[in-house]
Amino acid sequence: QVQLVQSGFDLRKPGASVRVSCAASGYTFTTYPIIWVRQAPGQGLEWMGWINTNTGSPTYAQGFTGRFVFSLDTSVSTAFLQISSLKAEDTAVYYCARPVTTVTSGVRYWGLGTLVTVSS
Amino acid sequence: SYVLTQPPSVSVAPGQTANFTCEGKNIGSKTVHWYQQKPGHAPVLVMYDDSDRPSGIPERFSGSNSGTTATLTISRVEAGDEADYYCQLWDSRTDHCVFGTGTKVTVL
Repeated sequence: QVQLVQSGFDLRKPGASVRVSCAASGYTFTTYPIIWVRQAPGQGLEWMGWINTNTGSPTYAQGFTGRFVFSLDTSVSTAFLQISSLKAEDTAVYYCARPVTTVTSGVRYWGLGTLVTVSS
Repeated sequence: SYVLTQPPSVSVAPGQTANFTCEGKNIGSKTVHWYQQKPGHAPVLVMYDDSDRPSGIPERFSGSNSGTTATLTISRVEAGDEADYYCQLWDSRTDHCVFGTGTKVTVL
């Protein structure tokens, strides 16, 4: 069965960096894109963008350019989200997910989420 | 950017039918997906491509999309349906995904 296993809770200080991992299994990793979604405490879902797992090409939503980087290690079927120069407002649960088929289709499979807390 | 508007909250009695709306400009020409999210859990896809149910989602869930409103309908509402519900679509003009504002559903 399809699984997306994310790295655990992370506590970082403002200005630091964090890398969230998302290990996929149960399907051919390079066949489907990986999508990243952010959910701040008590807030709704926010689409951060996606990465083409075949070409490695990332697409970032408005508001997620510059400090946010999507990357892959296809040898271990894992996607990464790196956030640099962390701010308090980056505190959120970050989800990786896989769509039904293409990036325009519904998001069928979700990781459990990684809580990143930014606090001094 | 494209905006999807959902009512902040809806209350429904058990056994009744609940309709959750998602409004957007000419949304009927786009393909809408719906998610259920319970507190502390990842979202679950409950409807895709306007009206298709993923495997494992009860037949009580149905969807429609026309004009400026997409609708998720839950028949015979149960206590376990209490959750936040989000609509979502792909905006081909910007080539980006958009989530709705979300509706908190309370089962009385």
